[in-house]
Amino acid sequence: EAQVTQNPRYLITVTGKKLTVTCSQNMNHEYMSWYRQDPGLGLRQIYYSMNVEVTDKGDVPEGYKVSRKEKRNFPLILESPSPNQTSLYFCASSFFGQSTDTQYFGPGTRLTVL
Amino acid sequence: AQSVAQPEDQVNVAEGNPLTVKCTYSVSGNPYLFWYVQYPNRGLQFLLKYITGDNLVKGSYGFEAEFNKSQTSFHLKKPSALVSDSALYFCAVRDFLGFGNEKLTFGTGTRLTIIP
Repeated sequence: EAQVTQNPRYLITVTGKKLTVTCSQNMNHEYMSWYRQDPGLGLRQIYYSMNVEVTDKGDVPEGYKVSRKEKRNFPLILESPSPNQTSLYFCASSFFGQSTDTQYFGPGTRLTVL
Repeated sequence: AQSVAQPEDQVNVAEGNPLTVKCTYSVSGNPYLFWYVQYPNRGLQFLLKYITGDNLVKGSYGFEAEFNKSQTSFHLKKPSALVSDSALYFCAVRDFLGFGNEKLTFGTGTRLTIIP
């Protein structure tokens, strides 16, 4: 089954404690992206990657890091989480060149930073 | 930059009635527009898109959307609402970033509630 998986689905942590949210897709997609969803703000792109070892900032990259060492994985790293990063996070993937044709979204990770 | 606006945070419709979820856009050039749906505790799912051609676009689950260039709108519609249509709906526009890269810019979302 074609899918995007994220782990963990729920996470409660404390300020400053480094964390990683994993994202994996099994569709051989070149393009992967991270979004955060906040009430009244919709989805905002954090980082994206057009292929292995190619990443770039989205609209709200501050406080986040990503890496793309393998085509299927695109982890989101919060080196020193802060309460304003409490949000619902989505990973998405698609074929490059059709990067916005049909994006496949993961189920989401709800992060709470205390 | 391209943008979309969803003027209604919440839309309530009685089951069996027609529904409309509104979206307006602001783009330079030809718009590429999308609707996505988010069911509770799930990721977003693609519903339909407008790239070019017919102004009435048909999508999944009986939804359709009407592209109106003069009103810069792309409203989502369904002739007869089902309780299972209750979800969060997002309008989105393709934003070209240069160097062959692009991304989706989303609206703020509209929560659709179908009342039995």
